Amino acid sequence: AQSVAQPEDQVNVAEGNPLTVKCTYSVSGNPYLFWYVQYPNRGLQFLLKYITGDNLVKGSYGFEAEFNKSQTSFHLKKPSALVSDSALYFCAVREGTGFQKLVFGTGTRLLVSP
Amino acid sequence: EAGVAQSPRYKIIEKRQSVAFWCNPISGHATLYWYQQILGQGPKLLIQFQNNGVVDDSQLPKDRFSAERLKGVDSTLKIQPAKLEDSAVYLCASSLDTGSLYGYTFGSGTRLTVV
Repeated sequence: AQSVAQPEDQVNVAEGNPLTVKCTYSVSGNPYLFWYVQYPNRGLQFLLKYITGDNLVKGSYGFEAEFNKSQTSFHLKKPSALVSDSALYFCAVREGTGFQKLVFGTGTRLLVSP
Repeated sequence: EAGVAQSPRYKIIEKRQSVAFWCNPISGHATLYWYQQILGQGPKLLIQFQNNGVVDDSQLPKDRFSAERLKGVDSTLKIQPAKLEDSAVYLCASSLDTGSLYGYTFGSGTRLTVV
């Protein structure tokens, strides 16, 4: 079965500093990877995805993610954090061959301090 | 386009009572998902519909949970009887089809508290 792991429960960063939220994956075959963000009392919002092609994927709100096949990682990054980026971030992998579904990691809480 | 609509937003019930959640997906989306998100955990898929047929309910506790998607549009998830461990946010999501490369669109969820 496909899976993703988010090793950090929480990441703290000061506003204006770069941020990284880590994700590693375990898949058979080509990985289809996603990042979602969840604000308080809201559903999950799609940030970006990796299907194939360039290893650096650009997404919404200035976020990007770097796919690294040798390290089986898909870390989420942003060059300059905003206080409004504080939220819960989930990495996910698409699983299945016929009927497919997203399998989520446990989430990482990002806290950006002013 | 309108998003995925869910109701109610919040529900508090006593254990052993029953509860139902409603979801209206984005128009034209064939695939509908119900996820359970327990506090501190990632969302876990409960059931997946393709149009009005179930394609994956392997993690649905079928002794107490049931779901239907009549006419391939709206869906209802029911819990009867509820247990304390069912306290969670129930998220509905939809996608164009099961192999969509565009991810899913999620609703805001229903927060269930069982006391």
